[in-house]
Amino acid sequence: IAGITQAPTSQILAAGRRMTLRCTQDMRHNAMYWYRQDLGLGLRLIHYSNTAGTTGKGEVPDGYSVSRANTDDFPLTLASAVPSQTSVYFCASSESGGEAYNEQFFGPGTRLTVL
Amino acid sequence: GQNIDQPTEMTATEGAIVQINCTYQTSGFNGLFWYQQHAGEAPTFLSYNVLDGLEEKGRFSSFLSRSKGYSYLLLKELQMKDSASYLCAVRDSNYQLIWGAGTKLIIKP
Repeated sequence: IAGITQAPTSQILAAGRRMTLRCTQDMRHNAMYWYRQDLGLGLRLIHYSNTAGTTGKGEVPDGYSVSRANTDDFPLTLASAVPSQTSVYFCASSESGGEAYNEQFFGPGTRLTVL
Repeated sequence: GQNIDQPTEMTATEGAIVQINCTYQTSGFNGLFWYQQHAGEAPTFLSYNVLDGLEEKGRFSSFLSRSKGYSYLLLKELQMKDSASYLCAVRDSNYQLIWGAGTKLIIKP
């Protein structure tokens, strides 16, 4: 693999179900991010991690949780999905977070529909 | 609150020049990014400005005025493949990116 991979590509989910979106990067980047993208709105940060073992809340964290057990993986879990979580989810990574400048690289996205 | 404003949609002709504007009001400023996003794909990095002035990179240039809270992306010699959405994002005082909704650019032959 090269870059960032996300799985699944798309998913239809019944409301109330638990779902984990997977994200893996092979660039040895320290920082990783989860965004959601909705029509007419900009990308919104859900959670981020500046380094393995640490996570932080973004703009819209409610209903989502993350973990960062190692450098490469950053899964996003919806504990009990609701229709308002229907969106396209992008995982991204950068060499570092915080003050250092660096661009973010994005995965291909997961299109999630909650019915 | 934090706000990034961009036009929703613009149309331009192949071979022409187009300027996409972005104005922002954020809690702190630590740089401004432009990304390109083709329909159904991931955003990809185009440019970064942290100081006032113009940054040129091939057919694309980006300008920043921090005092005015304003940036623009200039695309020259437009090609059909430039049809995409262009996203403006500002790094705020927490070093997180605040994103505009994007400008959909339609290129006509």
